[in-house]
Amino acid sequence: KAGVTQTPRYLIKTRGQQVTLSCSPISGHRSVSWYQQTPGQGLQFLFEYFSETQRNKGNFPGRFSGRQFSNSRSEMNVSTLELGDSALYLCASSKLSGSSYNEQFFGPGTRLTVL
Amino acid sequence: QKEVEQNSGPLSVPEGAIASLNCTYSDRGSQSFFWYRQYSGKSPELIMFIYSNGDKEDGRFTAQLNKASQYVSLLIRDSQPSDSATYLCAVKGQETSYDKVIFGPGTSLSVIP
Repeated sequence: KAGVTQTPRYLIKTRGQQVTLSCSPISGHRSVSWYQQTPGQGLQFLFEYFSETQRNKGNFPGRFSGRQFSNSRSEMNVSTLELGDSALYLCASSKLSGSSYNEQFFGPGTRLTVL
Repeated sequence: QKEVEQNSGPLSVPEGAIASLNCTYSDRGSQSFFWYRQYSGKSPELIMFIYSNGDKEDGRFTAQLNKASQYVSLLIRDSQPSDSATYLCAVKGQETSYDKVIFGPGTSLSVIP
């Protein structure tokens, strides 16, 4: 079974631009969560989607948004990029949402550099 | 108070020794607990999960959970240099919080040959 895939793997953007990242979950998984990982802040939760609905949102500004499609694929968008948005963006998929017994599996991540 | 805390390390152990990694959490209603391993430049990889008080063993790994003390640990027996990585403790909240999983800052483990 194929794992979680993320595209692109690397991105270089300049301040003020916007970026869209894509995540395809493991087949059969309906929940997709997004995380930002930086050396200083660690792994921080951005948001989670299940059945095309945002279930949870972390403490990030409105510049960060996402969506999920009917095939469970998800995208996240960051508008008006800032230098501090440079990070590894990780997507994780899981089979169910709302269940305690629900392990997440991570994709390889997208490394975003903002110049 | 941070929601999930871990000793940042680095924790250094000799090859063949037991490595002990600790994690505390603040939400008393937390239901699920996960340990991820992350090699430098790679994404986190799930290695253990535990839901009930007590111990859970999987090969060289043992997860221990004490909900009364809000404490979860990971023991790695017969540590190998390939175990050198950052270990992330993750905690999932109460049933109503869906998939909001909170990660600790990670403990860097170095296994010395």
